[in-house]
Amino acid sequence: EAGVVQSPRYKIIEKKQPVAFWCNPISGHNTLYWYRQNLGQGPELLIRYENEEAVDDSQLPKDRFSAERLKGVDSTLKIQPAELGDSAVYLCASSADLSLGNEQFFGPGTRLTVL
Amino acid sequence: KQEVTQIPAALSVPEGENLVLNCSFTDSAIYNLQWFRQDPGKGLTSLLLIQSSQREQTSGRLNASLDKSSGRSTLYIAASQPGDSATYLCAVRPQWNFNKFYFGSGTKLNVKP
Repeated sequence: EAGVVQSPRYKIIEKKQPVAFWCNPISGHNTLYWYRQNLGQGPELLIRYENEEAVDDSQLPKDRFSAERLKGVDSTLKIQPAELGDSAVYLCASSADLSLGNEQFFGPGTRLTVL
Repeated sequence: KQEVTQIPAALSVPEGENLVLNCSFTDSAIYNLQWFRQDPGKGLTSLLLIQSSQREQTSGRLNASLDKSSGRSTLYIAASQPGDSATYLCAVRPQWNFNKFYFGSGTKLNVKP
């Protein structure tokens, strides 16, 4: 079974440029997460989707970040414009029914460097 | 808000040693706790999941324990190998919001041949 797929794996951009990350979760997983992980830190949640609905986006900097999950499968996270402080690893994760105590499964992440 | 702390931040041991990694959390009302491994430049790989009603889980050379009353979990690695070198993170899901995971900063483990 394929795991969580993310692309690109690496991205280098100049500040003020836009950037987008793509995630394909494990088939059948209705919950999708986007996390940001700074160097030496644990992941911090940006947004969580249940199917197509964003049910927790309280930590998403909405002035420059946006996300969508069309048809409740793939998801895209966008930053426009990027700032130096956005350099981090962006991780996507998915899970089956959380009420059953199911695990999260993570993708390999996208390492973003903003120059 | 749930806060998760992992000590030490880094650990270096010779091959073959048994070792313990620690995870502490401030709110004992948890739904479950999950241990992950992260290799450099990679995503997180789930190692063990302990439900709130459980005291421990085992997988191969790994054993994770949970003591909710003291707000602690430990990950025990037996007979460590160089291939165990990675960063180990714990994540807690609180009962009041079991859809949300709170991560520690991780313990970076180096097992020397």
